[in-house]
This record gives sequence, structure tokens and C-alpha cells, in this order.
Amino acid sequence: EPEVTQTPSHQVTQMGQEVILRCVPISNHLYFYWYRQILGQKVEFLVSFYNNEISEKSEIFDDQFSVERPDGSNFTLKIRSTKLEDSAMYFCASRGDRRQETQYFGPGTRLLVL
Amino acid sequence: GNSVTQMEGPVTLSEEAFLTINCTYTATGYPSLFWYVQYPGEGLQLLLKATKADDKGSNKGFEATYRKETTSFHLEKGSVQVSDSAVYFCALSGSGAGSYQLTFGKGTKLSVIP
Repeated sequence: EPEVTQTPSHQVTQMGQEVILRCVPISNHLYFYWYRQILGQKVEFLVSFYNNEISEKSEIFDDQFSVERPDGSNFTLKIRSTKLEDSAMYFCASRGDRRQETQYFGPGTRLLVL
Repeated sequence: GNSVTQMEGPVTLSEEAFLTINCTYTATGYPSLFWYVQYPGEGLQLLLKATKADDKGSNKGFEATYRKETTSFHLEKGSVQVSDSAVYFCALSGSGAGSYQLTFGKGTKLSVIP
């Protein structure tokens, strides 16, 4: 069964460093998402991406964040200068087409900023 | 804005006990409703969904009915198993045009003991 994959599973970084989280959505899916979950808190929407551009973003997704689909398979989330409060589990998700509402999630990347 | 409130955990049940996890929501329009499950060390998996009022979603013995009049989508299972131990998330997707971003509840951790 097709699945969303994410790498790395864990990442530790120093405050102020740049990190790139990688996701491979399900092949032929058209809509892509990033969510995050700070320990003990809700899963929060960050950004959605369709047709090579951001379609919606939350207040969390400020200028430190960017997303890219550099080729036909990868979908990346970059945090330019990490802060302690960026420590969280980051989930990637993908959705098939406009008629399909179900989002399929990857296993997540646990990011720890020291 | 949209919001989801679900029962705080953790919930501990004996095997074969009846499970209810309450979920209520606030949304404009006509959202679709979801239950996702996260097993230890894994990502979010769709458990079931309902796209309109009075729909019942079901999967693996779990059920939830979309109740518009009470704005609820409670998750139930008649007889839980140890393998059902996981964190359960209630979520809704925004209605109408847009990215169908998901709004999640805080999650309810279920532990089933033999």
C-alpha cells in the first residue's frame, strides 16, 4: 500500500541552525501539507501546497519557514534559523485530488533544537 | 474559527470493555469529520471518517456518527483489545473551497490492559 515517508526520523540541531525536513508524498497525490505537534499539545496545521505554490498557511508559518517541491517526488520544509520553540514532531501529509478529502500522514520527524 | 474538543486522557480500560471517546467541534459550514489513530512510534493513520450529517464512519470495530445537532463525533468500540492501545485524534477539515486543512483535537491516549 502506498505511504508517505519522511526523513530523518529524528534530528537534533543547535539554535540558529537551518534544518530541512524531507517528505515523499504518495505518488500521484496533488496536495501536500505540513503539520507539527509540540510535545503534549495539539497537532497544528502549518502549510498546504498545491500546483507548486502555497495555497494556505497558518500564523505559525512565518518567514523562517519555507516549503519546496524540488523535483517530482520530494516535498521539503525548511526552517531557516531554528528556535528552541521549534522543537516538535513534524508531520507531512498528502491528499489525492480535489474530490478526495482524506489526508495520508507520514511517520513524522522529531526535531529537537538545543 | 474551527476547533475540536475531545476528551482528555489518559483512558485505561480492561480488555473487552466498552470504549467511548467524546469529541465535539465548532465549525462554519459543513466540515468532514475524522478520527485518526497514532500507534506508538508511528504516524497518524486514518481510522474512520464521515462527510455529512448522520453519516456513520466505521472501521476495525470502531464507529462514530456525525451529529450536527450536537456538533459531536464520538468514537465508540464495543470491546477493546490490547492492540487498540494508541492515541486517538478527532479532526475536522474545513468546508468549502480551500486546502482542506485539518483541525485536530488534543488527542486521547488509550491504554488497554489484559
